[in-house]
Amino acid sequence: GAVVSQHPSWVICKSGTSVKIECRSLDFQATTMFWYRQFPKQSLMLMATSNEGSKATYEQGVEKDKFLINHASLTLSTLTVTSAHPEDSSFYICSASQRRISYEQYFGPGTRLTVT
Amino acid sequence: EDKVVQSPLSLVVHEGDTVTLNCSYEVTNFRSLLWYKQEKKAPTFLFMLTSSGIEKKSGRLSSILDKKELSSILNITATQTGDSAIYLCAHPNYNQGGKLIFGQGTELSVKP
Repeated sequence: GAVVSQHPSWVICKSGTSVKIECRSLDFQATTMFWYRQFPKQSLMLMATSNEGSKATYEQGVEKDKFLINHASLTLSTLTVTSAHPEDSSFYICSASQRRISYEQYFGPGTRLTVT
Repeated sequence: EDKVVQSPLSLVVHEGDTVTLNCSYEVTNFRSLLWYKQEKKAPTFLFMLTSSGIEKKSGRLSSILDKKELSSILNITATQTGDSAIYLCAHPNYNQGGKLIFGQGTELSVKP
């Protein structure tokens, strides 16, 4: 149980285009979803926290107009990277929690984004 | 601001060696510390530590928390090449919905 999927697993896009990444909880309802970014040889950095039906809470330094997060249902959250640039190339990982305040997060397999 | 620091940042050992990875934390309202293993994809959960001095064990991996020293260690005995990964330590901030504050990670490479 507690499986989280992400789609796509990898994507290459041209500079200036937008890319949407989906995160789905397959066998549970995810009240809260987290989006992380990880650069090579670095740790995971939290970008934003989203609760179903509410606006996402972004971490300091993360542009909310550039990284659009939608958590419209209890099983799906999306991250859209708008007007992508090469410096947005990274590994994006989502995690999902069944409760609003819980350490138990189930991670998706990640999406590798390359912007050319 | 909550902070989690890991050391060393990278480590190269040979199969059969024993390794100790360190994690120290400076957080408000501590409740638990988590260890993860990350290979090519997303992190997989290893341990959750809440009480000082109680060792958690899973096969060749074990971990213990020292609340007095504000630190934790992760031990791997008789290392194998399959243990090569990034090991991450994290603190869940319950004041902010349980969001995880990760350390920098320790990249472990086990050579045959």
